[in-house]
Amino acid sequence: GQNIDQPTEMTATEGAIVQINCTYQTSGFNGLFWYQQHAGEAPTFLSYNVLDGLEEKGRFSSFLSRSKGYSYLLLKELQMKDSASYLCAVTSNYQLIWGAGTKLIIKP
Amino acid sequence: DGGITQSPKYLFRKEGQNVTLSCEQNLNHDAMYWYRQDPGQGLRLIYYSQIVNDFQKGDIAEGYSVSREKKESFPLTVTSAQKNPTAFYLCASSIRDTLGGDTQYFGPGTRLTVL
Repeated sequence: GQNIDQPTEMTATEGAIVQINCTYQTSGFNGLFWYQQHAGEAPTFLSYNVLDGLEEKGRFSSFLSRSKGYSYLLLKELQMKDSASYLCAVTSNYQLIWGAGTKLIIKP
Repeated sequence: DGGITQSPKYLFRKEGQNVTLSCEQNLNHDAMYWYRQDPGQGLRLIYYSQIVNDFQKGDIAEGYSVSREKKESFPLTVTSAQKNPTAFYLCASSIRDTLGGDTQYFGPGTRLTVL
């Protein structure tokens, strides 16, 4: 079967660093997406990883290990506006398979 | 400005009525998608279309119908056969990139409540 696992909820402090993990088991793999979704809004694209390693975009970085079926999203210098759900999605045989998302709560 | 529009943002209907949700994009994307999201859950694919005049069922197509007569438009009809239609509906479109992924861009969503 096809499966993507993420923690349901995480809590972090403003100004800190948080790592959101995503593990996947899929029949194929083309790449892995991370999206941000604020409550009541649509998801917005954050990153897309195809090759192993870390890709950095400002305060956000995404890591991929294809051999381990594992990715993480790293958020630095957390701000209150980062409170949102973070969705991991894998492209497998050109179909997008979505995780349930991780709700990130930022505390002052 | 290029983007994806969905209307209306909030929609209320009586049980037993069909309702059509609109989705329009001017990004010149070939592929379009409809998802349903329930509280605290991930996205579930209803229907998708990779080209005009062609569409395929997703994971939860029962009780829904779509059409793709124009590249820009992909309306979704929620029929009375859908048992639990109250949900947040998201439309997306995508273009294939050189690495084989299809980055999907989403409209603002329509929150449908069936009374």
